[in-house]
Amino acid sequence: GQNIDQPTEMTATEGAIVQINCTYQTSGFNGLFWYQQHAGEAPTFLSYNVLDGLEEKGRFSSFLSRSKGYSYLLLKELQMKDSASYLCAAMDSNYQLIWGAGTKLIIKP
Amino acid sequence: GAVVSQHPSRVICKSGTSVKIECRSLDFQATTMFWYRQFPKKSLMLMATSNEGSKATYEQGVEKDKFLINHASLTLSTLTVTSAHPEDSSFYICSARLAGGPGPTDTQYFGPGTRLTVL
Repeated sequence: GQNIDQPTEMTATEGAIVQINCTYQTSGFNGLFWYQQHAGEAPTFLSYNVLDGLEEKGRFSSFLSRSKGYSYLLLKELQMKDSASYLCAAMDSNYQLIWGAGTKLIIKP
Repeated sequence: GAVVSQHPSRVICKSGTSVKIECRSLDFQATTMFWYRQFPKKSLMLMATSNEGSKATYEQGVEKDKFLINHASLTLSTLTVTSAHPEDSSFYICSARLAGGPGPTDTQYFGPGTRLTVL
C-alpha cells in the first residue's frame, strides 16, 4: 500500500533549527512536496523535490533520498510565525498526491 | 501568481439544505482541480478530482450523488453538498494543479478553504 510517515508533533525554540522527517512508500514516484498549514487555513506550497539532494529556499530547505524513500524539511532561524503544521506529500505514478498526516510544529520563545 | 480563491469562506446552514462552494483559479488555467475535506487536527482527505469538461473522479467512500462537482471552465469548479447533515460539517478545501507556470509542474495551489457548519 501507499503510506507517508511523519512525526505528529515537534517542539523547537525561536531562533533554532528544526528538521522534520518524512518517509514514504508509493506506487511509482513523481516527486515529494512540502506544504505549510496554519491552523484554520489552507495549505501553502513550500517546496518540491524530485531528484536526490538538497533544495534551499531562504530559511527553508528540503532534502530527498529516493533510494531510501526519505525526505526532510529543514527550518532555520525559527520564528514564532513558523508555528504551523507541515504536510509531506508524495506524488505517485498516477500523479496523485499521497498525503501525510502532518507534523505540528510548536515554537517556544 | 498561482492564486486560487474559494467562496464562501464560511457557511452555516440548516440540516437538509444544499450548499454550493466555488473554487476559482484567478491568474492561471487549471485543467484539473481537487476537492479535499479536513477534520480538526487531521490531514487532508481527497474527495474527488475534477477535470474540465468531464465527470469528476471520486475517491472510494465518497458519495457522488451527495457531493456534486462541476468543472465547467478552466478557471472554475464547484462543489455542491446536497441535503447537508451535521456529519458533513467540515473544512472543505479546493486546489488547482498548475502546469507550465511558476513552481514545479503538477504543484497544487490551494484555495483558502470553506468552513461548513450544518446545524
